[in-house]
Amino acid sequence: GENVEQHPSTLSVQEGDSAVIKCTYSDSASNYFPWYKQELGKGPQLIIDIRSNVGEKKDQRIAVTLNKTAKHFSLHITETQPEDSAVYFCAASIYPAGGGNKLTFGTGTQLKVEL
Amino acid sequence: GAVVSQHPSRVICKSGTSVKIECRSLDFQATTMFWYRQFPKQSLMLMATSNEGSKATYEQGVEKDKFLINHASLTLSTLTVTSAHPEDSSFYICIPQGLAGGYSTDTQYFGPGTRLTVL
Repeated sequence: GENVEQHPSTLSVQEGDSAVIKCTYSDSASNYFPWYKQELGKGPQLIIDIRSNVGEKKDQRIAVTLNKTAKHFSLHITETQPEDSAVYFCAASIYPAGGGNKLTFGTGTQLKVEL
Repeated sequence: GAVVSQHPSRVICKSGTSVKIECRSLDFQATTMFWYRQFPKQSLMLMATSNEGSKATYEQGVEKDKFLINHASLTLSTLTVTSAHPEDSSFYICIPQGLAGGYSTDTQYFGPGTRLTVL
């Protein structure tokens, strides 16, 4: 089955700096890679996703890059703000969804944005 | 977007009791339901997958007789933790998949989660 590794487990940055979180996956059949933000006591919320037919996707301060050959993908947050502090999870799946295409999650990264 | 509800959001129970968690997809038909659990400061781990009207498929290490899953309708799935013990204390999350307006719901519609604490 799929195995997703995520690094680093903790990341501390100064407000305004950039943060990068990296994930690798093992199953070459995976073609959908979402990122989730989980705040304390809450469930994960989708913040951005990328499919294997593109190499990069950007949404305001958040971007995700995908290298299919190397089987790794990264989350980039620019101009970090204190409210970006949370746990971030990457995941891998096979799209289109439906019919049982489960998500395999990374181990999570605790991001702390310091003032 | 699609809405998923999960009830209860938080439950505290005594060891040995059973707890039922409901997951409802409010505006789409969930043909498949994934149940995940998340131990403190850990990642989300898939427990089981159920398809409407069929028996659930459990991941390795998850006891099917302890975690009873019912997916009898396209809008409701339940997870019952039987004879709960402190080690079952966790955050349980459902992720329904199906069709909404003819399009796949994708994998982004999480239930808000149920925090179970077993004393």
